[in-house]
This record gives sequence, C-alpha cells and structure tokens, in this order.
Amino acid sequence: DIQMTQSPSTLSASVGDRVTVTCRASQPISTWLAWYQQKPGKAPKLLIYTASSLHSGVPSRFSGSGSGTEFTLTISGLQPDDFATYYCQHYKSLPWTFGQGTKVEIK
Amino acid sequence: QVQLVQSGPEVKKPGASVKVSCKTSGYTFPNYSITWVRQAPGQGLEWMAWINVYNGNTNYTQNFQGRVTMTTDTSTTTAYLELRNLRSDDTAVYYCARIRYYDSSFDYWGQGTRVTVSS
Repeated sequence: DIQMTQSPSTLSASVGDRVTVTCRASQPISTWLAWYQQKPGKAPKLLIYTASSLHSGVPSRFSGSGSGTEFTLTISGLQPDDFATYYCQHYKSLPWTFGQGTKVEIK
Repeated sequence: QVQLVQSGPEVKKPGASVKVSCKTSGYTFPNYSITWVRQAPGQGLEWMAWINVYNGNTNYTQNFQGRVTMTTDTSTTTAYLELRNLRSDDTAVYYCARIRYYDSSFDYWGQGTRVTVSS
C-alpha cells in the first residue's frame, strides 16, 4: 500500500499569512493526488485534484503543486474561514489512502 | 445541485450489522462511482471501498474484506453500505462520496452517519 505522510501535524498561523502543508507519498504517484478541507463536525470538502487543479467554487488563494512523491498545498493569505484540518489523498492505485491530516490553528 | 444525503445515527451492539444509506440527487446516478470513507472519533480519514454504480463492480480495502457489502438502487438513486459483525472499533462517522468522472478524487460528500457500537 502507498503511505501518505503530511507535515506538520499542526500549524499555527495568523490571518493573512501564507501557509504551506506538505504531503509525501511512499512511492511515486504521478499527480494522482487530492487535497481536502474538513471543519469540526462536517464532511470533508474537495479543494484540489490531480495535484494542482482547483475544484469548482474553491477560492483562488488555495493552490497545489508537486508530482511524484512530494506535494504541497499553499494558502496565500489565510482567511478566518480557512482554520480547519487538511488531508491529502492519493488515488494512484488501490487501496486509496489519506495522509494523517494537518490542523491549521489560529496563532 | 449535487447532493448526497445519508441516513441518521445508529447505535448497535457488538456482533450486529448496520446498513447506511446515501441518497443522491442532482446528477445522473449511473455515471459516477460512489465511495465510502470512515472517521473514528478524533482520528483521520480511512478509505473503505468503492462501487461502480453503472456495472456494480466493487473494491474493498483489506481491512473490511468479508464484512462489508455495498449496493445501489438506481430506481431511488441511493447507495448503501452494510457492515457486519460490528466491533467497538467500528465506532465512527461513515461518509459516502461521489467519485469524479475524470479522475478518482471525491468531489461531493454526504453529511456523514455516526455509528456507535457499544454493549
């Protein structure tokens, strides 16, 4: 199985900050990677697919990059609504797996 | 608009079975596969399985082989997940999600169904 490792586990930031979350795959996955945002008590929401494509309706301050084994999610200008937990997920091959999550907290 | 609406919370005893429903609307049901993901309390997301609604093909992660069955009803555009022989560590919120047509990311999610397994 392909393992996904996110860093950091927790990130403290202020409104307006540029924030970067990293996701590493245990083997190459090309760009078969998605990023999701989850708020407490709510279902995850798709932000990014195929590593860098923005899902419909997602603000342009969210961006994704990377290929192979290293990927990043960047939030340019953190907004109050962005404080949440973020997960990466690969879909290169079955079983699909998620990273352990990165919680973005208010500094 | 695309919507996935799941059934309500369940409380079950160890060894019992649970069946969670996922009623979809706003798109052509057979054209998209459905997947199931669960989240134990305070934990991350765990992918479980997916079903090709068009032809009924399924795939389950090793952890759930033999205990999980997914079905769909095209007349009601509803997907179902049945989990048998429940254990306390099956306590979690179970989510259904639609799989994007052009890649396999999960673009729309149900609100989640809390399943509690307790004696």
